[in-house]
Amino acid sequence: EVQLVESGGGLVQPGGSLRLSCAASGFTFGNYWMNWVRQAPGKGPEWVANIRQDGTEKYYLDSVRGRFTISRDNAKNSLYVQMNSLRAEDTAVYYCVRVSLYNSGTRSALDVWGQGTVVTVSS
Amino acid sequence: AIQMTQSPSSLSASVGDRVTITCRASQGIRDDLGWYQQKPGKAPKLLIYAASSLESGVPSRFSGSGSGTDFTLTISSLQPEDFATYYCVQDYNYPWTFGQGTKVEIK
Repeated sequence: EVQLVESGGGLVQPGGSLRLSCAASGFTFGNYWMNWVRQAPGKGPEWVANIRQDGTEKYYLDSVRGRFTISRDNAKNSLYVQMNSLRAEDTAVYYCVRVSLYNSGTRSALDVWGQGTVVTVSS
Repeated sequence: AIQMTQSPSSLSASVGDRVTITCRASQGIRDDLGWYQQKPGKAPKLLIYAASSLESGVPSRFSGSGSGTDFTLTISSLQPEDFATYYCVQDYNYPWTFGQGTKVEIK
């Protein structure tokens, strides 16, 4: 069974740090782009960052660039995001999401989602 | 960033109804658009990719159309399990952006 399981969420004070992890199973992790997508309470999803299969390309939402760092360890089938200088507006459920490619790699979609881990930034 | 605007933000419908949700991009995005369904407390689920391609395992009552800036998700005959919130998302360029969502409620 294809599965993504996030961990590492919790309550952190503004300005603090947190590292989220995502354990992948049931597929060849190293063959896929991976993403973090978050969803604030009562809001729609928001794409946060993604990383190429070999880790050589990374893209970030402007509001997290310089504060968040996405990384992966293909030997451990794991995705990470290091979140520093956290703000109240970073409070959300954070999802680990796989990207699949279609039509000979010309199209993509967020096809597998984890169950999410909750991050709360509050004093 | 490309803005994705969905309409309506919510709708009430009955089982068996045909439902149409639209999504407009602030600039052309070819057909680099997906549709997702989300139920309370659950992660979003992929329904449609590349604007009109049905994801494997998704019922054929779901269909998508459009290209450029205007897109449509249609549910041909609404079923009880389809009451949920639907989001479009563009992956044409970064940052990938979601619409604000359309909540489909029971009439």
